[in-house]
Amino acid sequence: DADVTQTPRNRITKTGKRIMLECSQTKGHDRMYWYRQDPGLGLRLIYYSFDVKDINKGEISDGYSVSRQAQAKFSLSLESAIPNQTALYFCATSDAKEGLSYEQFFGPGTRLTVL
Amino acid sequence: QKEVEQDPGPLSVPEGAIVSLNCTYSNSAFQYFMWYRQYSRKGPELLMYTYSSGNKEDGRFTAQVDKSSKYISLFIRDSQPSDSATYLCAMETDSWGKLQFGAGTQVVVTP
Repeated sequence: DADVTQTPRNRITKTGKRIMLECSQTKGHDRMYWYRQDPGLGLRLIYYSFDVKDINKGEISDGYSVSRQAQAKFSLSLESAIPNQTALYFCATSDAKEGLSYEQFFGPGTRLTVL
Repeated sequence: QKEVEQDPGPLSVPEGAIVSLNCTYSNSAFQYFMWYRQYSRKGPELLMYTYSSGNKEDGRFTAQVDKSSKYISLFIRDSQPSDSATYLCAMETDSWGKLQFGAGTQVVVTP
């Protein structure tokens, strides 16, 4: 079984709808991240969480919210989806031990299309 | 201007050739430098990691960091079709995990 899983893998929705993307991990890592990937822009950090009680905004958090339900679960919500949120979304985890957070383990991604 | 610049390619090379990839950056505080590889329809995975300046070699892969020029490189020797992927550079100022990624370069190795 995959260490980092994301559901759904693909989603098509309409403008204004609320969407939740879910991420689960079995690696036992404390740190979790949400990124979006757009052609020509690479990966951009949306939110990150260093433990269940610690959630921080990343580079592009406007229009998104997150919930860290447990060490293993980190969800991303789009409260009112808009077309420019169409992108590939990745969840990632890393070890909290000093000096190891550069190695992030990514899920398979969720392809989201907002019409 | 983005903090990390990377040519998106695509870069097409024949099997056996040397692949040369690079990124430039503007933030002199970056100390940790990484290369991630992303196959089509997959998440990125860490390929190489270098702290501060210098070279690092791992099999057919060599990573170089030149902090004075704010320039990092990845070389792939004896390239194989299985090396066809997108290669993303990434860097951070500390080890907190807040990575800044380049746009990624698509590499195609033709048999």
